[in-house]
Amino acid sequence: AQKVTQAQTEISVVEKEDVTLDCVYETRDTTYYLFWYKQPPSGELVFLIRRNSFDEQNEISGRYSWNFQKSTSSFNFTITASQVVDSAVYFCALSEGPGSGYALNFGKGTSLLVTP
Amino acid sequence: GAVVSQHPSRVICKSGTSVKIECRSLDFQATTMFWYRQFPKQSLMLMATSNEGSKATYEQGVEKDKFLINHASLTLSTLTVTSAHPEDSSFYICSARDTSGSDTQYFGPGTRLTVL
Repeated sequence: AQKVTQAQTEISVVEKEDVTLDCVYETRDTTYYLFWYKQPPSGELVFLIRRNSFDEQNEISGRYSWNFQKSTSSFNFTITASQVVDSAVYFCALSEGPGSGYALNFGKGTSLLVTP
Repeated sequence: GAVVSQHPSRVICKSGTSVKIECRSLDFQATTMFWYRQFPKQSLMLMATSNEGSKATYEQGVEKDKFLINHASLTLSTLTVTSAHPEDSSFYICSARDTSGSDTQYFGPGTRLTVL
């Protein structure tokens, strides 16, 4: 069963628009970790954020912000004032901690295209 | 953030040959490393979990005799694709778990394997 669902396969926006990438996860563990990674065309995964299940505070880092809501099992990612360099595939991932050996379960990714 | 290297970045080989991919954590020790495989336009799928000094744990459907993993030191894990075939062509990415500080997985830049 898919543990991380990224319903948006592809999103296309015009530069300077705000865009939100959705992520819904499923786990029975009370302790877990959520991640977002960016994968540009070069292929290398770039770490963006890690959030543990006990910390529901939203986070902002420059143009990036994350909304973690346990009640809806969602961990959405918003890019404000998008730029062409934001074009990439973004993956949401879940780690269920010791029980799973801390391996990551990835969503299928959302391909974001930002056009000038 | 922490740095993980992979070598080689790209390899082309003939069917039937074996290919070794190295994954190194450059500035931290990693008791656990992970190997993922990514087919074009797809998500990352965990192949195996590599623990230093012990046998790797393989995911269901991954042949351990075909994908040999060795984690002989705290900074190096290797994946050997034995008797490679065209269907093994893929993007192989390793990650290393940094248990100090934020306990985050950092990914290598990936190895693109093409089997002719």
